[in-house]
Amino acid sequence: KQEVTQIPAALSVPEGENLVLNCSFTDSAIYNLQWFRQDPGKGLTSLLLIQSSQREQTSGRLNASLDKSSGRSTLYIAASQPGDSATYLCAVSSNNNDMRFGAGTRLTVKP
Amino acid sequence: DTAVSQTPKYLVTQMGNDKSIKCEQNLGHDTMYWYKQDSKKFLKIMFSYNNKELIINETVPNRFSPKSPDKAHLNLHINSLELGDSAVYFCASSQFLVLHFGNGTRLTVT
Repeated sequence: KQEVTQIPAALSVPEGENLVLNCSFTDSAIYNLQWFRQDPGKGLTSLLLIQSSQREQTSGRLNASLDKSSGRSTLYIAASQPGDSATYLCAVSSNNNDMRFGAGTRLTVKP
Repeated sequence: DTAVSQTPKYLVTQMGNDKSIKCEQNLGHDTMYWYKQDSKKFLKIMFSYNNKELIINETVPNRFSPKSPDKAHLNLHINSLELGDSAVYFCASSQFLVLHFGNGTRLTVT
C-alpha cells in the first residue's frame, strides 16, 4: 500500500526567503501527484498537478518537481510571503483511483 | 458555482445518534471520495466510488455507510456516533485522478 511522507512537519521562515517542501512515496507506480494548500478551517485548494510522465510543473512562484524512480517530489516556493502561510499537502494517485495524502507541512512566513 | 458542496458545514451531536453528511458535485466527475481529517490534520481516505460503485473501502467501522444514489452524489451516513468520530470529513471528486475537494464538514460528538 502506498505511503506518503512529508518533511518537515513544520517550517517557519522570514518573508522573502525561498523554501523547499519535500514529499516522498513508497510505490513509484503512480498516476499523478498533486500539491494542495489548506488554510486553517478551510478545504483544500489544488496548487499543482504533475502527471507521472512529467518532471515538473510551474505556477507563478511555485515549482513542483517529480522524480518517480526515487519516489520524491519537491515543492519550491520562491520569495515567500506571509500570505503563503498554510499547510501544504502532497497527494499521490495510483491507477485504481486510490489517492494517498502525506501528513502535510505547516508553513509560517513571518513578516 | 460551487464544484463540490457538502452539507452541513458544522455538525454537533451526542454520542449514540445517527447522522448523515451530504455531498454533491456538479463537475460531471465519475469518481467521488470521502476523507477523514483527524486532529493532527492527517487526511485519510475512507471510501471511493466510481459511477456509483464502491471501489475503495478502507478499514472503517461498519457504522459508516456511504450511499451513492447517482454519479453526482455521495452521502455518508454514520450510525451510533462515538467521541472518536469527531473530525473534519471531506468529500472530493475526481476525473482522471485530479482531485477537487469540498470545504469539509466539522463533526463534533459530545
